[in-house]
Amino acid sequence: DAKTTQPPSMDCAEGRAANLPCNHSTISGNEYVYWYRQIHSQGPQYIIHGLKNNETNEMASLIITEDRKSSTLILPHATLRDTAVYYCIVRAPASGNTPLVFGKGTRLSVIA
Amino acid sequence: EAQVTQNPRYLITVTGKKLTVTCSQNMNHEYMSWYRQDPGLGLRQIYYSMNVEVTDKGDVPEGYKVSRKEKRNFPLILESPSPNQTSLYFCASSFRPWGELFFGEGSRLTVL
Repeated sequence: DAKTTQPPSMDCAEGRAANLPCNHSTISGNEYVYWYRQIHSQGPQYIIHGLKNNETNEMASLIITEDRKSSTLILPHATLRDTAVYYCIVRAPASGNTPLVFGKGTRLSVIA
Repeated sequence: EAQVTQNPRYLITVTGKKLTVTCSQNMNHEYMSWYRQDPGLGLRQIYYSMNVEVTDKGDVPEGYKVSRKEKRNFPLILESPSPNQTSLYFCASSFRPWGELFFGEGSRLTVL
């Protein structure tokens, strides 16, 4: 699975959009981009995933560049409860036993 | 409610005293996995199971055992715990290894 690079930390004002970048320049054609987050020491929570088209769900939007070498997770109206570590993971379906590899992620602090 | 349940949530034990951390999911998932999380090391996979009676080692299996006798349960067994197994443990499940992973709330284990 391709490696990802994320900034270690970011701040966002409450009510504003939080844009979390992820670089995955070595991504291959069949690899998806997944985002998870972990609030404090709770279990990680799935947010969204995509292949090449932009995706949106009730939690967030995922924007993947046309060359697929980077992506951005957007939380449209960040709240204090969105303060968490956000993990960007690249993985191919049917890669069998290879577990999801959680890197260091981005620590997002939402500030009142 | 779809969930992954771990017990106990907190445990303090002594070196050498066998313990079991239970994990149960109610989503009929085939794939289940155990992770441990340590400061600076992120989430590391201990063991996983692709289906009933099928288990395999992850990245850090030493000192642990698992079993998968039923689809819903995947207990983690520490036959002779040692202080270096002090950690935060997460169980996770999904329909497929590459699918959306559902995590339990975590079990914080301290071995004295």
